[in-house]
Amino acid sequence: AQKITQTQPGMFVQEKEAVTLDCTYDTSDPSYGLFWYKQPSSGEMIFLIYQGSYDQQNATEGRYSLNFQKARKSANLVISASQLGDSAMYFCAMRGNTGANSKLTFGKGITLSVRP
Amino acid sequence: DVKVTQSSRYLVKRTGEKVFLECVQDMDHENMFWYRQDPGLGLRLIYFSYDVKMKEKGDIPEGYSVSREKKERFSLILESASTNQTSMYLCASSPGVFPYEQYFGPGTRLTVT
Repeated sequence: AQKITQTQPGMFVQEKEAVTLDCTYDTSDPSYGLFWYKQPSSGEMIFLIYQGSYDQQNATEGRYSLNFQKARKSANLVISASQLGDSAMYFCAMRGNTGANSKLTFGKGITLSVRP
Repeated sequence: DVKVTQSSRYLVKRTGEKVFLECVQDMDHENMFWYRQDPGLGLRLIYFSYDVKMKEKGDIPEGYSVSREKKERFSLILESASTNQTSMYLCASSPGVFPYEQYFGPGTRLTVT
């Protein structure tokens, strides 16, 4: 069974600073994918970034980067140069290597508040 | 851009009513999913479908059923709504190819009174 753990209850960051949101995972699959989603107060889940378990480099997408440490089973999201619009809930998720059965397991989320 | 739409943003129903939540995606995705989201519990998978007329139970299927008659449409049905089904319901779709990222609709906030 897959498990995602997000233990930070809430995070605060000053505008323009960087912030790291923690995510640890557990799986017995040798191949898997890790995802981060953003959910603003409007409710829609927005896909941010993906990391494959065999990817040699950490994923980056604009101001988002994923600090992937496979041996420690962690996949932390780093947001650089925080903006007020980054205030939202952030979810870490993972998928095993099951092809068409592409279920995601989500963590419970972390609330990020960006202060002006 | 991928677009996933849900029939209602807000819905209020009475206990015992039959409730239909509709989801439509316009990107020809093979896979579709229904989740419910509750504070402190994150997203929990109710049902998913990886092809027309195919369905698989997720983690919390009790009290729900689904229908997928066309590739673009995936319906969630509450046969007899109960107050413990008051929640935010999110629909998602994903392509049938790697890395299978999921795209979500705006959600339906359902209140059962």
